Amino acid sequence: GAVVSQHPSRVICKSGTSVKIECRSLDFQATTMFWYRQFPKQSLMLMATSNEGSKATYEQGVEKDKFLINHASLTLSTLTVTSAHPEDSSFYICSPSSYNEQFFGPGTRLTVL
Amino acid sequence: GNSVTQMEGPVTLSEEAFLTINCTYTATGYPSLFWYVQYPGEGLQLLLKATKADDKGSNKGFEATYRKETTSFHLEKGSVQVSDSAVYFCALGSSSNTGKLIFGQGTTLQVKP
Repeated sequence: GAVVSQHPSRVICKSGTSVKIECRSLDFQATTMFWYRQFPKQSLMLMATSNEGSKATYEQGVEKDKFLINHASLTLSTLTVTSAHPEDSSFYICSPSSYNEQFFGPGTRLTVL
Repeated sequence: GNSVTQMEGPVTLSEEAFLTINCTYTATGYPSLFWYVQYPGEGLQLLLKATKADDKGSNKGFEATYRKETTSFHLEKGSVQVSDSAVYFCALGSSSNTGKLIFGQGTTLQVKP
């Protein structure tokens, strides 16, 4: 399968700060990027879908002004959590996809104090 | 709406034991069904899939059959190994093949030597 990396793997920040998470597909060109969030002992929940060069489409209940998604190229997407609060603490996972192939990043653990 | 329910874990087995992880779903239309596996520190990997009723997906000794009459997609393996220890996710793909996945909550499998 494709090699997908996320950076950072873990981040701890203070409430009110913004955090940027990068997702890179090193050997795979992702025309679509899915971003998921996973709370402890719960399933992955889709947050948003973005196609390269287009604005992201957010799932119901996900604030687009809080979770900024940029899919600038076929190998890089970023998720920025703006003005993070403790309830945003979660495990964030990117999933690059193209032509019926879909892969997953190793995830980023965000802890907001 | 569509949903996936997995049996709760953790599941602890001895090496060479028989494994079953139950998964049932609720969906409209004819979705595809998937099992993903997540090893410690890694991203989700596709284990197997089935795209229509009565299809059997298989890989690495694991099997699952798409049962429309019981809306189930149970994962089975005849003889587990210590290296199978991981978290297993059942997932449902949209009937319109958008790439969006709905996940179960995951089941942790621990295999002891």
